[in-house]
Amino acid sequence: DIQMTQSPSSLSASVGDRVTITCRASQGIRIDLGWYQQKPGKAPKRLIFAASSLQSGVPSRFSGSGSGTEFTLTISSLQPEDFATYYCLQHNTLPWTFGQGTTVEIK
Amino acid sequence: QVQLQESGPGLVKPSRTLSITCTVSRGSISNGGFYWTWIRQRPDKGLEWIGHIFESGTTYYNPSLKSRLSISLDTSKNQFSLQLTSVTTADTAIYYCAALRHGVDIWGQGTKVTVSS
Repeated sequence: DIQMTQSPSSLSASVGDRVTITCRASQGIRIDLGWYQQKPGKAPKRLIFAASSLQSGVPSRFSGSGSGTEFTLTISSLQPEDFATYYCLQHNTLPWTFGQGTTVEIK
Repeated sequence: QVQLQESGPGLVKPSRTLSITCTVSRGSISNGGFYWTWIRQRPDKGLEWIGHIFESGTTYYNPSLKSRLSISLDTSKNQFSLQLTSVTTADTAIYYCAALRHGVDIWGQGTKVTVSS
């Protein structure tokens, strides 16, 4: 299985901060990666697909980059509604695998 | 746009079979090119891909569950289903169905399943 290692596992940030979350794949996955946001009690919601394409309806402060084994999700200016847990998902190779998650908390 | 709704038993006894159905509305399960997908989230854990099925009926399963897992389509009811046999407490989770494809990402609200005697 491809291991997806996310870092950090949690972070504290303030409204307006720039936040960066990284996902590393144990082998190359081209750009077959999505980023998801999950709030407590809710289903995950995809923010980014194909590593850098913004899902329709998602604010432009979210962006993704990377290819191969290293990927980044950036929130350019953190908003109150962005406090949540974020996951990456690789769908290049079966079984699809998620990162372990990054919880973004209020500082 | 397509909407999904899971229906599950809530509580299942150990060693029994877990069955969950995902009903698709505002769209047909027979077209659209979706990965009709099952994902679960165990308590205070991350997300785990269970498997998916295409409109052709072709399935792909997580090897960690493959020996106990079956995913099927019922086009007459516009549903797809998950069956997991010989469940243990480790199968306690929120189970989500999802319709995924390039640029489209639709999830059900999730159904909580507890395995307990």
